[in-house]
Amino acid sequence: AQTVTQSQPEMSVQEAETVTLSCTYDTSESDYYLFWYKQPPSRQMILVIRQEAYKQQNATENRFSVNFQKAAKSFSLKISDSQLGDAAMYFCAYRSHDNYGQNFVFGPGTRLSVLP
Amino acid sequence: GAGVSQSPSNKVTEKGKDVELRCDPISGHTALYWYRQSLGQGLEFLIYFQGNSAPDKSGLPSDRFSAERTGGSVSTLTIQRTQQEDSAVYLCASSLRPSNYGYTFGSGTRLTVV
Repeated sequence: AQTVTQSQPEMSVQEAETVTLSCTYDTSESDYYLFWYKQPPSRQMILVIRQEAYKQQNATENRFSVNFQKAAKSFSLKISDSQLGDAAMYFCAYRSHDNYGQNFVFGPGTRLSVLP
Repeated sequence: GAGVSQSPSNKVTEKGKDVELRCDPISGHTALYWYRQSLGQGLEFLIYFQGNSAPDKSGLPSDRFSAERTGGSVSTLTIQRTQQEDSAVYLCASSLRPSNYGYTFGSGTRLTVV
């Protein structure tokens, strides 16, 4: 079974600075998808960024980018120019490629605080 | 609707009572998931519905938990004889079809068992 680990329960960053959130996972599969979700106090999970394992190029979405290291099974999220609205819980998630009906495997989350 | 709607937003119940949590997915979405998020924890898969297929109930923690989806739309998660360890946020997500592009989540129901 796949597992997802986020070793940083809490992180903080100064507004306008850059922060990196860590995620590692364990799988025997070669093809899969990785996600970062943001959960603000409203509780709604919001998709931040998605990476396909067969693509070597790191995904980027505006101020958000990932560092995907497939051999190391590492998938970190970098937030540039941090804004107050970025404060939230961030969850790393894994999904198998072939099992369309299967669920995501989520990490325990990292609580990010943004300091003004 | 425009998003996934869950009700109630918050529910406080006494230990031993039954509760029903409702999820109204985005219109036309065939895939629907229920997750449980305990305090300080990640999301735990509970159950998955896809169209008219038999649901994947492999994540339900005990036989006190059940869920149904009527007409391929609204879903209800029922917890019988609630226990204090059932206290958590219950999140629902839906998608147009099984997809690796992620799902749209609702804002969840915070259940507190006292």
